[in-house]
Amino acid sequence: GIQVEQSPPDLILQEGANSTLRCNFSDSVNNLQWFHQNPWGQLINLFYIPSGTKQNGRLSATTVATERYSLLYISSSQTTDSGVYFCAVDFSAGGTSYGKLTFGQGTILTVHP
Amino acid sequence: ETGVTQSPTHLIKTRGQQVTLRCSSQSGHNTVSWYQQALGQGPQFIFQYYREEENGRGNFPPRFSGLQFPNYSSELNVNALELDDSALYLCASSLLGSGYTFGSGTRLTVV
Repeated sequence: GIQVEQSPPDLILQEGANSTLRCNFSDSVNNLQWFHQNPWGQLINLFYIPSGTKQNGRLSATTVATERYSLLYISSSQTTDSGVYFCAVDFSAGGTSYGKLTFGQGTILTVHP
Repeated sequence: ETGVTQSPTHLIKTRGQQVTLRCSSQSGHNTVSWYQQALGQGPQFIFQYYREEENGRGNFPPRFSGLQFPNYSSELNVNALELDDSALYLCASSLLGSGYTFGSGTRLTVV
C-alpha cells in the first residue's frame, strides 16, 4: 500500500521561530491534506493541497506531486501552534479516488514561550 | 457550515460488549468515513460510506460495521469489544473526491 513518511518526528521551537515540516509519499495521489490535531483530539484541516502552493496567515504549504512530497511552513511560531501535525493522502488509481486517507505518523511540535 | 459532530465524546465499555458511535456529517457532504486512532499513532481508515453503501474498507474485522442514513448521518458499530479496541474514533465527511472534515472524535475505553 501507499506509504506516507513525515519528518521530523519531533520538533521543539522557541516562540517566534520558523519551521518546515516534510511529507513524502510513495505513489500518485489525488488528495493531500495537512491537519493539526489539538490536545482534545480534533483534526483541524489546515490545507487541501494535492498540488501547488497555498498560504493562510502564518502557515503555507507546497506540494510537488511529480516528486511526491509536500512541505508545511510555519512562520513566527506561537505556543498555540503546539500539537501534532499530520499529512494525509488519498491514493488515486486511474484517476478514481478510493476515499481512503492514509496518514503519516505525524510531527509533534512543541513551541516554548 | 454546521461541521461534523460526533457522540458520545467519551465511553467506557466492558470487553465482549457492543458499542454504537454516531456521526452527523457536514451539511452538503455525501460521504462519511470512520477512522481509528490508537495512542501515539496516526488515524487508520476503517471504512467509508457513499449513498448509504460501503465504498471501501480498511484492514478491520467484520465485527466493525457501519450504516449511513439518507440524511448522511452515520453509525459505527463494534461487536465483541476487545481491549485493543480502546482508541479515539474519528468520523470525517466530504464531497466525493474533495477534502475531508473531521469531527472531534469519540474516545472509547474497553476494560
